[in-house]
Amino acid sequence: EVQLVQSGAEVKKPGESLKISCKGSGYSFTSYWIGWVRQMPGKGLEWMGIIYPGDSDTRYSPSFQGQVTISADKSISTAYLQWSSLKASDTAMYYCARHLRNLGSEDFYMDVWGKGTTVTVSS
Amino acid sequence: QSVLTQPPSASGTPGQRVTISCSGSSSNIGSNYVYWYQQLPGTAPKLLIYRNNQRPSGVPDRFSGSKSGTSASLAISGLRSEDEADYYCAAWDDSLSVVVFGGGTKLTVL
Repeated sequence: EVQLVQSGAEVKKPGESLKISCKGSGYSFTSYWIGWVRQMPGKGLEWMGIIYPGDSDTRYSPSFQGQVTISADKSISTAYLQWSSLKASDTAMYYCARHLRNLGSEDFYMDVWGKGTTVTVSS
Repeated sequence: QSVLTQPPSASGTPGQRVTISCSGSSSNIGSNYVYWYQQLPGTAPKLLIYRNNQRPSGVPDRFSGSKSGTSASLAISGLRSEDEADYYCAAWDDSLSVVVFGGGTKLTVL
């Protein structure tokens, strides 16, 4: 069974750094793109970016470029999302999701999702 | 403001058929596949429809998707109480090079 297991809830202060994780199992981790989706409290879904663990090719949404870093450690089948200096506006649920790409295009979609990691940033 | 436009709410009674619309543009729905995700209260989103009208294994055939031009729709027939959830449409956007979502439609089963 394909599974994505995310790290636990985090409570941080503004200005602190944070790295959350997402461990894949039940499939070849290096053969699929994996990425992150933000959901702010009471709001909709926002696509943040993806990484291909096989060669570390990374794509960011312009809305999140420079604000977060997406990385992966293929030796332990784990993807990461990190912040160097958190803001209160980073308070949200963050989902990791395995991405599939339709052949011959850049058309990505998410087929398997993690349960989410809640990040709360408050002074 | 979401790139794809969905009605914020929809409702129906058990057994009814409801549809949820999703409107986009030539750079997303008009040139790429549409996907639908179901988010039950307090849970992660789940892929409901892929490539416009395909159902993943395990998704009941009560759920169906369609696309025409720059719009798409999700239909749910034989509505059940457990269908009460938020539904999101999504597509790749060639101009932005991102996955774009609709704002979500909250479905209430009366």
